[in-house]
Amino acid sequence: GNSVTQMEGPVTLSEEAFLTINCTYTATGYPSLFWYVQYPGEGLQLLLKATKADDKGSNKGFEATYRKETTSFHLEKGSVQVSDSAVYFCALYTGTASKLTFGTGTRLQVTL
Amino acid sequence: NAGVMQNPRHLVRRRGQEARLRCSPMKGHSHVYWYRQLPEEGLKFMVYLQKENIIDESGMPKERFSAEFPKEGPSILRIQQVVRGDSAAYFCASSPTSGRSPSSYEQYFGPGTRLTVT
Repeated sequence: GNSVTQMEGPVTLSEEAFLTINCTYTATGYPSLFWYVQYPGEGLQLLLKATKADDKGSNKGFEATYRKETTSFHLEKGSVQVSDSAVYFCALYTGTASKLTFGTGTRLQVTL
Repeated sequence: NAGVMQNPRHLVRRRGQEARLRCSPMKGHSHVYWYRQLPEEGLKFMVYLQKENIIDESGMPKERFSAEFPKEGPSILRIQQVVRGDSAAYFCASSPTSGRSPSSYEQYFGPGTRLTVT
């Protein structure tokens, strides 16, 4: 079956530090890959997505590249801000099962 | 275009009571999904519905839980005889299509209902 594995958190960084959150997946077929962000007390917002190998999704300074050879979709940002503090979820969708499969989430805390 | 709406945002029930959670999908969306997020965990799929049909309920507990998406009105997730372990955030998502083409697929999430069972 499908599964998503994310690095465990929490990740604590100083403002302007470089961020990487690792995500690897197992899937049948050719999944689309997503990063969602959840701010405290809120629902999930789509941050970025990639639909085929070597695609790069990007939004708000965040980037992730769909790497089929390593089955990975790591999230990166060059310079984090305090306002980026949230929980980040990696997810996949294959179309054969009409649901998103989520990782367990990684909490990011950015301090001044 | 209003987003996915859920109500109530917070719900407190005593053990043994019933909880009803409502979800109105985005305008033009006919596919609704319910997910549960237990404290400090990721989201787990519960059920996928189209208007008047349950398409996939493989993530739904067999007892006490039911879901519907009537022709008119919001989707309802119903939990009977709640127990403390039902305390969680319940998120609804909607999509415009069934996502046969993964490349064009997205789900849009509501703000969630946080259920607390005392």
